[in-house]
Amino acid sequence: AQKVTQAQTEISVVEKEDVTLDCVYETRDTTYYLFWYKQPPSGELVFLIRRNSFDEQNEISGRYSWNFQKSTSSFNFTITASQVVDSAVYFCALSGIGTYKYIFGTGTRLKVLA
Amino acid sequence: GAVVSQHPSWVICKSGTSVKIECRSLDFQATTMFWYRQFPKQSLMLMATSNEGSKATYEQGVEKDKFLINHASLTLSTLTVTSAHPEDSSFYICSATLKGGTNEKLFFGSGTQLSVL
Repeated sequence: AQKVTQAQTEISVVEKEDVTLDCVYETRDTTYYLFWYKQPPSGELVFLIRRNSFDEQNEISGRYSWNFQKSTSSFNFTITASQVVDSAVYFCALSGIGTYKYIFGTGTRLKVLA
Repeated sequence: GAVVSQHPSWVICKSGTSVKIECRSLDFQATTMFWYRQFPKQSLMLMATSNEGSKATYEQGVEKDKFLINHASLTLSTLTVTSAHPEDSSFYICSATLKGGTNEKLFFGSGTQLSVL
């Protein structure tokens, strides 16, 4: 069975602090995709990143970085120098290759305080 | 980038009435659209997969007669909540993928908050 666990329900940080959102997944597939989405208060889901299971290279995009560790089945997301606009619910998701069925985690609500 | 428009953003209705939610891909053709349901502070749960020109595929536990899905064109899918009851109150969000594309990413609509009184 596939499962995504985001153990952190809610995190509060002060602006400019770094914060890491954890994501642990379970799958029997040997190849799969991992995703992070941001859901601001307005409700829409904003795509942040997709990672192939066969590509363990970490990625950095501005203040965002992702650490994919296949050995521990984790795909953690770090925001550096957080800003108030980063306040949102962040979802980690998993899908098999060739399927559009995404399995979402329960989300982590991030509050960045000014 | 690809845009998915969902309408209405929120709707309040009386118990027993039906509510239709539209999901449109604005600048691309979407052979497949997906409908999710999200309860407060919970994850998104896939309800059904909507395929253009064919019947929707429902996830286990989702009543197909309760949640009618129609995907009449490559840019429009609709979800109708029939005979809505308070327990149907939820946030519904659609998503679409590019025609001929891989599942690289889904494009999500802005969601519809349904409140059934």
